[in-house]
Amino acid sequence: DTGVSQNPRHKITKRGQNVTFRCDPISEHNRLYWYRQTLGQGPEFLTYFQNEAQLEKSRLLSDRFSAERPKGSFSTLEIQRTEQGDSAMYLCASSLSGLASSSYNEQFFGPGTRLTVL
Amino acid sequence: AQSVAQPEDQVKVAEGNPLTVKCTYSVSGNPYLFWYVQYPNRGLQFLLKYITGDNLVKGSYGFEAEFNKSQTSFHLKKPSALVSDSALYFCAVRAQTYSGAGSYQLTFGKGTKLSVIP
Repeated sequence: DTGVSQNPRHKITKRGQNVTFRCDPISEHNRLYWYRQTLGQGPEFLTYFQNEAQLEKSRLLSDRFSAERPKGSFSTLEIQRTEQGDSAMYLCASSLSGLASSSYNEQFFGPGTRLTVL
Repeated sequence: AQSVAQPEDQVKVAEGNPLTVKCTYSVSGNPYLFWYVQYPNRGLQFLLKYITGDNLVKGSYGFEAEFNKSQTSFHLKKPSALVSDSALYFCAVRAQTYSGAGSYQLTFGKGTKLSVIP
């Protein structure tokens, strides 16, 4: 399967614990995005990377959230001191930049990691 | 700021009938517009996009969408609905940037649940 993969698919944690999610984008894609989706809502943008550089962060990304993409390939999203309001589906997407690509601007999404904070 | 409105939480159609899922948007400048579909416990799947050119865009699974700049709309359509089309549909927008800089985040609507009745 050459799509975007995310691990774990489900995570249950207690309030106050730290959690880390991983995203593996489509191999040739240089842009990687994180979104959060809560029940009954559309995905909300959190942050995006071009290669290893984090170029944009939403105001939704509080100080407890940190994302990395150390080698420009996979990415991790860490949430410290989780709160019940962090319960959501965390979606990763990737895309290829460049006018030569027929998939210009199109983001491909992974299956998501569902976080439940008790 | 950019935004998307999907005025209908749910659309019900009979199998074989045409379907329309409505979307209006607000963005500074010209838009890139997208439709995604989400099946239960799965990530978002890309259906189609409008970048430039012909206002009628054709996509996957027989879906099409019509871009109307004056009405700032991008309604999703299909001539003959299938039961397997039942899912959650999201419209998304991103502003075009001519300099290459700026935001690449997608802004999504809240989604419309499509139910196709046999």
